[in-house]
Amino acid sequence: KAGVTQTPRYLIKTRGQQVTLSCSPISGHRSVSWYQQTPGQGLQFLFEYFSETQRNKGNFPGRFSGRQFSNSRSEMNVSTLELGDSALYLCASSYAGLNEQFFGPGTRLTVL
Amino acid sequence: QQPVQSPQAVILREGEDAVINCSSSKALYSVHWYRQKHGEAPVFLMILLKGGEQKGHEKISASFNEKKQQSSLYLTASQLSYSGTYFCGTESGTASKLTFGTGTRLQVTL
Repeated sequence: KAGVTQTPRYLIKTRGQQVTLSCSPISGHRSVSWYQQTPGQGLQFLFEYFSETQRNKGNFPGRFSGRQFSNSRSEMNVSTLELGDSALYLCASSYAGLNEQFFGPGTRLTVL
Repeated sequence: QQPVQSPQAVILREGEDAVINCSSSKALYSVHWYRQKHGEAPVFLMILLKGGEQKGHEKISASFNEKKQQSSLYLTASQLSYSGTYFCGTESGTASKLTFGTGTRLQVTL
């Protein structure tokens, strides 16, 4: 069974730009969660999607948004990038909700 | 609020035991443990649910004290492969989301 895939793996952007990250969950998994990982803050929950609906959202500004498609693939968008958005963005999929989550390799975003 | 993990870092010799603690100020529904090796994605270790149910790998043991909102992960007879950063994630209230601690860095040496 193929694991969770994330594209792209690395991104370099400048302040003010926007970025879209993609996550393909394990086949059959309907829940996709997104996390931001930074050295100081650890893993911060961004949002969770289940069957194309956002069920939960973390404490991030509205510049962070996401969506999920009918095939469970998910995208995350960050608009008006700031230097502080530099981080590793991880997505995790599970069959449903907070069961065992399988993490993807992450997208390393650098904002210059 | 993030759960608090302790210790922040620990160095063990192979074969030694370690305990990693996770404490929350909120009433918890479940506690999840993950391990992340350097440059890799976090990997699931265990879920402990309110009421005593546990789901996880056989070689990992943990406890969940619901009254104290605390969980402990027990690593016995440590191996080099145990090295990595351990995260606890807590679920509280009705929101189906995990709040992770800042991690405990474990290094096992020969």
